[in-house]
Amino acid sequence: EDQVTQSPEALRLQEGESSSLNCSYTVSGLRGLFWYRQDPGKGPEFLFTLYSAGEEKEKERLKATLTKKESFLHITAPKPEDSATYLCAVRRGKFQFGAGTQVVVTP
Amino acid sequence: GAVVSQHPSWVICKSGTSVKIECRSLDFQATTMFWYRQFPKQSLMLMATSNEGSKATYEQGVEKDKFLINHASLTLSTLTVTSAHPEDSSFYICSASDPSYNEQFFGPGTRLTVL
Repeated sequence: EDQVTQSPEALRLQEGESSSLNCSYTVSGLRGLFWYRQDPGKGPEFLFTLYSAGEEKEKERLKATLTKKESFLHITAPKPEDSATYLCAVRRGKFQFGAGTQVVVTP
Repeated sequence: GAVVSQHPSWVICKSGTSVKIECRSLDFQATTMFWYRQFPKQSLMLMATSNEGSKATYEQGVEKDKFLINHASLTLSTLTVTSAHPEDSSFYICSASDPSYNEQFFGPGTRLTVL
């Protein structure tokens, strides 16, 4: 059975304190690994798609990387506005989401 | 990225009534739309996949007679919660994709409260 596991469940950071979120997956025939950001009471906002091991993508303070078994979302020098829940999802046929990592960045 | 809208953003209804939620893709044609349900502090749970012009495919455990899905056009899908009960109270989110995208683009969600 395909599985997507995100860790940690929650992360509290000081502003400027860089960190990484993990998304490990077990799925054969991966058709993409996706990162989304979700603010409370809103729908997920698309961030990145990664397709193959070794691929990296960046957007502002976020960088996503992919290996054959996991993906990392690196947050560099985070700001309070980076506070959100970050979801990863994998796609073989349909999408399967992880439980998310809730990130809180304090000033 | 593509824009997906949902209406209404929130709704409160009495137990036993039906509620319709609309999902629209505003700037692309969505051959496939998805409906999710999300409980507080939990991840997205896929309810059903709908393809334009055909019947929706429901996930195991989702009652198709209770959650009616219609995808009549390439830009509109609707979810009707029939005979709603308090346990149906949740955050419902739709998403859309088309053959040009591998990604899903999400709507802003609809908060349903059944009294």
